Amino acid sequence: QKEVEQNSGPLSVPEGAIASLNCTYSDRGSQSFFWYRQYSGKSPELIMSIYSNGDKEDGRFTAQLNKASQYVSLLIRDSQPSDSATYLCAVNPGNTPLVFGKGTRLSVIA
Amino acid sequence: DAGVIQSPRHEVTEMGQEVTLRCKPISGHNSLFWYRQTMMRGLELLIYFNNNVPIDDSGMPEDRFSAKMPNASFSTLKIQPSEPRDSAVYFCASSRQSNTEAFFGQGTRLTVV
Repeated sequence: QKEVEQNSGPLSVPEGAIASLNCTYSDRGSQSFFWYRQYSGKSPELIMSIYSNGDKEDGRFTAQLNKASQYVSLLIRDSQPSDSATYLCAVNPGNTPLVFGKGTRLSVIA
Repeated sequence: DAGVIQSPRHEVTEMGQEVTLRCKPISGHNSLFWYRQTMMRGLELLIYFNNNVPIDDSGMPEDRFSAKMPNASFSTLKIQPSEPRDSAVYFCASSRQSNTEAFFGQGTRLTVV
């Protein structure tokens, strides 16, 4: 069973702080990793992808990947109330569709 | 690009009725996915197609659920007969290949009363 685990939250951070969202996955052969943001009542929106160990930065977002530990994280710097949403981690375990975690709900407090 | 288009956005139906959800994937994408999202179970993959061919329908909960993709630009998910426990948000998504990033439609919120 290929699994992706996330803490459901809610994770509450004050405005301007760094939000750290974490994800672990079970399939060691997984090759690509994605973060989706889902606002309440909306559809998941792709915000980051990462394929190799290390960090990948895009604006206020940084994705981190450690394949040895089977761990992916998303850092959001200078968190804004508009970042309040559920963040879904998705993993590609091979030649099959993405496997999604259940998501972490982030609340940024003004 | 218009993105993935789903219809209807909302559907309220009575138990026992047939429900048909529709999806137009992004042009040029070869894979199409149907997901169901609930608070309890999160995002569940129901079925996916590659090049209009169903590849894996193991996520379809019961025989009451069926999906078709008659051509590269259209897919349907049908529930017959519908039951209250089918109430959920159903998303269609598409991607260039089955193992690449997927792009979601706006979803159909289904309520079966």
